[in-house]
This record gives sequence, structure tokens and C-alpha cells, in this order.
Amino acid sequence: GEDVEQSLFLSVREGDSSVINCTYTDSSSTYLYWYKQEPGAGLQLLTYIFSNMDMKQDQRLTVLLNKKDKHLSLRIADTQTGDSAIYFCAESPLSGGYQKVTFGIGTKLQVIP
Amino acid sequence: GAVVSQHPSWVICKSGTSVKIECRSLDFQATTMFWYRQFPKQSLMLMATSNEGSKATYEQGVEKDKFLINHASLTLSTLTVTSAHPEDSSFYICSARVKARLGNEQFFGPGTRLTVL
Repeated sequence: GEDVEQSLFLSVREGDSSVINCTYTDSSSTYLYWYKQEPGAGLQLLTYIFSNMDMKQDQRLTVLLNKKDKHLSLRIADTQTGDSAIYFCAESPLSGGYQKVTFGIGTKLQVIP
Repeated sequence: GAVVSQHPSWVICKSGTSVKIECRSLDFQATTMFWYRQFPKQSLMLMATSNEGSKATYEQGVEKDKFLINHASLTLSTLTVTSAHPEDSSFYICSARVKARLGNEQFFGPGTRLTVL
């Protein structure tokens, strides 16, 4: 079945860049997502990338996709204390209709002032 | 736009009682709504997928008689935990897929924390 793996924890200093990594196993993955979850809250979609793309940039966020290695990363530039949260990597295939989204376990990002 | 609300945000109940959780899409019509369960320090586990006007599709291992899902309209889905037990205590999150939007983008509700005593 599908599997998405992430490291559990990342600690960075305010102002530095954060890089959160994710690997997935489903070779038919078409959409790859990054979600942010703040304490006690639901998930907020940060960005997503199609599998035919290598990179996507959106303000401070950069997503890199290595499809050959099934590796996805999220880079947050100039990390702020408000970026402290859990970040979930997720993937889904798409073949003519809705397909199940599989989430990783989440990486807790701690930003040290 | 694309706001999803859940009610209640938290609930404490006694073992054996039933609890209903509502999920509403506030400013859009949701073709499909999803119910997830999240244990502490774990990922989201998809419980079921519901389409408006039809029966929910449950994931393997999820008891459909235990977790009743009703999707009566394009803006409302409810999850009822019947005869709740302490092991049902969890964070329940719903999400909704925007009708007529391509792709798999889901908008998540803020979650409902259920504690069963």
C-alpha cells in the first residue's frame, strides 16, 4: 500500500531556513501536498505540487520533488516563530476521479527565538 | 473562501453515550466530505468518505455501525460515535472537497476533540 515517511522533529533558529523532508512509495502519486497543523487546530494546505514538476516556489516556501527517488522537501526561508507547527506531507494518485490522500506522520518544527 | 467548520470543538461524555459531530462547508458546496481520526503524535487516519445523498465508504477496520456518517446535503456531514468508549477518545477532523474543482484539494475543519470517560 501507499506509505509516506517523515522525520518526527526539526529544530531551527529564527531567521534560518528550515528543510522538512518526506519520502513516499506510491509510484503513481500525482499530487504531493504539504499541510500545516497548529496546536489544537485542523490542517491548512500550504502548497502542493504535481508529479510532473520539479520545483514550486511560493513566497517563503519552496517545494522540491525528486520523482526518481520519491523524495519531497519543503524549504521555509527566514523561518519565524509563527512557523512552529506540525507539517504533514501527503500524496494521492489521480486516475479519473478522487483517490485517497495518504498522510505522513508529521514533522514537528520548533523555531527557537 | 473554502471554510470548513466543525461543531463541537470539544466534547466530554460518559462511556456508553452517543456523540454527534457536525462538519459544515460554510461558503462552498462540498461534493465529498471525509472523516479522519488523529491520535496523539500520529498522522491522520482516514475513517470514511461520504458523498452527498449516498452511503459512506468506510476504510478497512472502521466499524460502520460504530461510526455513523450522514451526508444529508452539500454543506453538512455528521459523524455519530455510538456507544462511545474510552478508546474512542481522539481528535476527529473532517475535510471537504470543493465541487467542480479539479484535483484533490481538501479543506479541513478545525477538529473535534472527543474525550470519553
